[in-house]
Amino acid sequence: NAGVTQTPKFQVLKTGQSMTLQCAQDMNHEYMSWYRQDPGMGLRLIHYSVGAGITDQGEVPNGYNVSRSTTEDFPLRLLSAAPSQTSVYFCASTPSGTGSFYGYTFGSGTRLTVV
Amino acid sequence: AQSVTQLDSHVSVSEGTPVLLRCNYSSSYSPSLFWYVQHPNKGLQLLLKYTSAATLVKGINGFEAEFKKSETSFHLTKPSAHMSDAAEYFCVVSEEWNRDDKIIFGKGTRLHILP
Repeated sequence: NAGVTQTPKFQVLKTGQSMTLQCAQDMNHEYMSWYRQDPGMGLRLIHYSVGAGITDQGEVPNGYNVSRSTTEDFPLRLLSAAPSQTSVYFCASTPSGTGSFYGYTFGSGTRLTVV
Repeated sequence: AQSVTQLDSHVSVSEGTPVLLRCNYSSSYSPSLFWYVQHPNKGLQLLLKYTSAATLVKGINGFEAEFKKSETSFHLTKPSAHMSDAAEYFCVVSEEWNRDDKIIFGKGTRLHILP
């Protein structure tokens, strides 16, 4: 099925551990992004990419790292997990230059708990 | 700079009565506006979008929204609420010329449907 696939769906980490949240899309979308969702805060942009090899910071980038080696994949790395990173993470994509017209396609989310 | 304000964090209506979820935006240029819905423990689904065509926009599941430039509003309505409409709704703004495809989320309105 065409769309955005996120793995894992759930994850529990200990403080200080590192991990990678995976995001893949099969729609040949150039634009991909990561959001975190916290109660009462809406969705806040962490990092985004307008194409392979190009990434940029969003609103809340600290503690996260991204890379974009292919059009399909956009992994999000937590370098040293902290309890403040407990959240639900969403990956989204859109054809480049059209996000403002067509909206985004979202993955189903990764629920991360850091203890 | 663009921003979006959802005026109510929670709205409760009885099944069969009208729904009104309020959204005001701020944008320096011609905005594109969206409403997304998130059912419990699910990803985000696009309900409808306004992209400088007709000011009254019809979406899925009987929802519609009206773009009012003079009031900088994009309120979401439905004539008759159904139990399945219980979810969180996000108003989203993007500027039409937006090179980076960035979108800004409101903080969300949780819709409760009373039997």
